[in-house]
Amino acid sequence: DAGITQSPRHKVTETGTPVTLRCHQTENHRYMYWYRQDPGHGLRLIHYSYGVKDTDKGEVSDGYSVSRSKTEDFLLTLESATSSQTSVYFCAISDAQGGTDTQYFGPGTRLTVL
Amino acid sequence: QKELEQNSGPLSVPEGAIASLNCTYSDRGSQSFFWYRQYSGKSPELIMSIYSNGDKEDGRFTAQLNKASQYVSLLIRDSQPSDSATYLCAVRLGGADGLTFGKGTHLIIQP
Repeated sequence: DAGITQSPRHKVTETGTPVTLRCHQTENHRYMYWYRQDPGHGLRLIHYSYGVKDTDKGEVSDGYSVSRSKTEDFLLTLESATSSQTSVYFCAISDAQGGTDTQYFGPGTRLTVL
Repeated sequence: QKELEQNSGPLSVPEGAIASLNCTYSDRGSQSFFWYRQYSGKSPELIMSIYSNGDKEDGRFTAQLNKASQYVSLLIRDSQPSDSATYLCAVRLGGADGLTFGKGTHLIIQP
């Protein structure tokens, strides 16, 4: 998984609780991304980062926030989890800029919100 | 709006035959194109990237890009049962944006 770890790998939580997912890379890549994958929707971008403390929203960012205080770590926070956020969450990293970017994915976190 | 269309399948192909997977896209500004393979319960893994019109070959895999017709395809020669997976096409408009994915085609290689 190209030096990418995600934690936790599985989590069950209750509606209304905050949840933080962590992505850690050992590749020193500049760009990091959070996606969610749901049946019938495929992979959708939540947020991404193009450097330490530089982040931007993706297609489905409502209800999520992110932080990146170090190159190697990108945190995704569900401020108040809802059942619609039950999903598999993937982190991805890339290094190249411009149109030749290739993204490599972490192992994923399966989140269930009851 | 970036949209990708893939036939969800399942696409069933006999072992040893050529599997052909197709993806059409709507945004003419798309610059980079990718094919990922995803086994059930696993993360997507990159198979091929293609950036210019024409064919790109890597082992048993060939990616084809036609920007005028706005489609990208993946051919898998000498299909093996281990090729059975969901294949995702993805595009990147440019800059630091993330990828936009199709919903994937479920490929089954029958022994």
